[in-house]
Amino acid sequence: GALVYQYPRRTICKSGTSMRMECQAVGFQATSVAWYRQSPQKTFELIALSTVNSAIKYEQNFTQEKFPISHPNLSFSSMTVLNAYLEDRGLYLCGARANSGNTLYFGEGSRLIVV
Amino acid sequence: GDSVTQTEGQVALSEEDFLTIHCNYSASGYPTLFWYVQYPGEGPQLLFRASRDKEKGSSRGFEATYDKGTTSFHLRKASVQESDSAVYYCALRQQQGTGSKLSFGKGAKLTVSP
Repeated sequence: GALVYQYPRRTICKSGTSMRMECQAVGFQATSVAWYRQSPQKTFELIALSTVNSAIKYEQNFTQEKFPISHPNLSFSSMTVLNAYLEDRGLYLCGARANSGNTLYFGEGSRLIVV
Repeated sequence: GDSVTQTEGQVALSEEDFLTIHCNYSASGYPTLFWYVQYPGEGPQLLFRASRDKEKGSSRGFEATYDKGTTSFHLRKASVQESDSAVYYCALRQQQGTGSKLSFGKGAKLTVSP
């Protein structure tokens, strides 16, 4: 079956430092990867959509300068939260979709805690 | 843009109660509709999806029927169990070029008491 692993599950970082998170698709080829942030008040916010061999598309309020994403192959993607502050806290979710599929499969998320 | 509106907030039931969580969508054409479930400390898991009018999705006793006439995809379960306690999200897939954008409702937190 389709599985998505995210690492790390949880990070505590000091304000102003950065956190890198990884997303691994197992059992299928992740042609599209969507990164979301889930916070208590804002449910799921789409950060960006990444499709292999296409430019990464960021949503309004999210930028490549703040959330650089790498999607080098069909099984792996990473995203970094640069200069993290309190408003960046939340659960960062990676959703991966196969080219032939209609469904985003999510990992368990990487929780960012900023102190 | 395309969106979903669902039952939000807390839904409190007792075991063996009937569950309905409403979901209505706003979109052109035939978007794909999804129900996801999220347990504490985990990412959202797909329950099921549907892409065509009158198509019924089902899993683990939950079901929903795609209704283009009423633009709805309501989640139902005849008899809930304590283990069904979780947050349920209705979602809609919008096609964006070669990518896919999934828009979520705000979630309904189901708590089932024994």
